[in-house]
Order: sequence, then structure tokens, then C-alpha cells
Amino acid sequence: DAKTTQPNSMESNEEEPVHLPCNHSTISGTDYIHWYRQLPSQGPEYVIHGLTSNVNNRMASLAIAEDRKSSTLILHRATLRDAAVYYCILYQKVTFGIGTKLQVIP
Amino acid sequence: DSGVTQTPKHLITATGQRVTLRCSPRSGDLSVYWYQQSLDQGLQFLIHYYNGEERAKGNILERFSAQQFPDLHSELNLSSLELGDSALYFCASSVAAWGSSPLHFGNGTRLTVT
Repeated sequence: DAKTTQPNSMESNEEEPVHLPCNHSTISGTDYIHWYRQLPSQGPEYVIHGLTSNVNNRMASLAIAEDRKSSTLILHRATLRDAAVYYCILYQKVTFGIGTKLQVIP
Repeated sequence: DSGVTQTPKHLITATGQRVTLRCSPRSGDLSVYWYQQSLDQGLQFLIHYYNGEERAKGNILERFSAQQFPDLHSELNLSSLELGDSALYFCASSVAAWGSSPLHFGNGTRLTVT
């Protein structure tokens, strides 16, 4: 199964941009790249998804490498509400890994 | 509010017992997914149904079973419960069977096995 690799944790200062990386070197041509985030004791929340082109929405931007073997979730101005665990998944068996715990420093 | 409803919110039961968790997907969503999240663990995919048919299986134990009914709600049955089955169980729904549409998660059922 296609897998993703993310750093276990990252820190960011409030109101600064955050770039969360994800490696997916075994991605197949039909795999969509999805990002979700989860607060403690809550269900994951959809953030953004894409296939080949970069994507923007009101929450974030998704930058996808040309070879699609990696992607980056970009939060343009981190707020305290953005502190969460962020998951990057490929849509095969929609398996989530451990994700990246983002800490936002005031 | 994601539009996905899971009941009950909390469940406390004893080892060896059997429980049923229920999920109502968002209106119009045909896919339902079940996940298990143990303490400080990532989300483990259990099973995926699309329009009543099983589409994919993940790390689901033989003691666990699921189904999706004609009205598209889904139930996850857990039997012969063990202490290690204590976890948060999430249901998610999406419009499509494949990756073009996002997953929308419910708030989960917290199962405690004593």
C-alpha cells in the first residue's frame, strides 16, 4: 500500500506561515493526496486535497511536487486554533499514520 | 458540524460483551468508513462500505463486523470484547467511493471495556 511519511512534530510562531511536509514516494497515478487535522478527542477535520495541481482553499494551500512524490500543506498565517495533529493520506485504503503534531507559539 | 452522526457518544461495557456502534452519514454520501483510534495512536482504518457493499478492509479483527444498510446508515459490531478494544471509534462518510471527495468525520464513540 502507498504510505506517507511526515515529521512527528513541528513548531511555528503565531501569525507566521507554516509548511508541513509529506513524502509519498510510492504514490500511484490515481492517488489523491488528502490532508486532515485533528484536535484532541475530536474527529478529524478535512483541510484540503488534490491530485496533480496546487490547490487553494480558505483554510490552506496544497503544493504538490511535479513528480508527486511529496507535497506540502501551507498555512499562511498560523493561529492558536491551528494547533492540531495534521495527517497526510493517500486515498487507497485511506490509512492514516501518526501525523505531525503542530504546536503554535504565541 | 460535519453532518455525520455517531451514537452512542460513550459506551462502557465489560470484557466478553458485544456492542453495536451506529453511524449516520451526511445526506447524499454513499461511502462510510470506520476507524479505530487507541490512546495516543493514529487512526487505524477498519473497513469501507459504498452504497451497501464492502469496498475495502483494513486492520479489522475477526471479532468485529460491519454493514451498511439500504438507508445508508452503518453499524459496527464488536464482540467478545477485550480490554485492548477500548478506543475511540470514528465513522466518516464521503460522496464517492474513491479519492476525489473529502472524508467527513463524526465525533466518535468512546468505548471503554472494563
